[in-house]
Amino acid sequence: DTAVSQTPKYLVTQMGNDKSIKCEQNLGHDTMYWYKQDSKKFLKIMFSYNNKELIINETVPNRFSPKSPDKAHLNLHINSLELGDSAVYFCASSQVAGGGSEAFFGQGTRLTVV
Amino acid sequence: GENVEQHPSTLSVQEGDSAVIKCTYSDSASNYFPWYKQELGKRPQLIIDIRSNVGEKKDQRIAVTLNKTAKHFSLHITETQPEDSAVYFCAALNQAGTALIFGKGTTLSVSS
Repeated sequence: DTAVSQTPKYLVTQMGNDKSIKCEQNLGHDTMYWYKQDSKKFLKIMFSYNNKELIINETVPNRFSPKSPDKAHLNLHINSLELGDSAVYFCASSQVAGGGSEAFFGQGTRLTVV
Repeated sequence: GENVEQHPSTLSVQEGDSAVIKCTYSDSASNYFPWYKQELGKRPQLIIDIRSNVGEKKDQRIAVTLNKTAKHFSLHITETQPEDSAVYFCAALNQAGTALIFGKGTTLSVSS
């Protein structure tokens, strides 16, 4: 069974659209994250959720909103997509709040905005 | 916030040689330092990690060393193989202890 799964794997959409990426983990972890990996491979933390509570929110535009219906899910909703949003988005989870243990990553969602 | 610097950005070695990647971090309170390997088109996966109460850790051909005084840690890969070719990321906890902050990655190429 896949530990951290996210859908879709590929997403191509036009500027101005609204889209969502779903993430689920079956590891029983308390904390989930969203990372953005740009074309230069840089992994940047976007959000962290612990027990359904947002505990960090880096300098991310408010067009991005994480939604966690329960501890096993952390979805990412993006409004009014822009060309610069094109990237690979990774969901991850860890047992210990704050990433003080191994973070398991999903397979990534490659978002292309045209 | 926490800042992690990683060098070099690219590294090319011959099969059988050793490879060393170095990272520095800014927050002296950080206490967890993992290394991830990302193959082309795949997800990052943990290969080794070290906590601040340990100076060195080894797992077969890979080892990590930590110098808390100097705030730097290094990944050592011995007897490199072509399948070691990938992007390697170091990481450290941010100041609030709420997420891993990654270095910018090192693209390692091992030629046979």
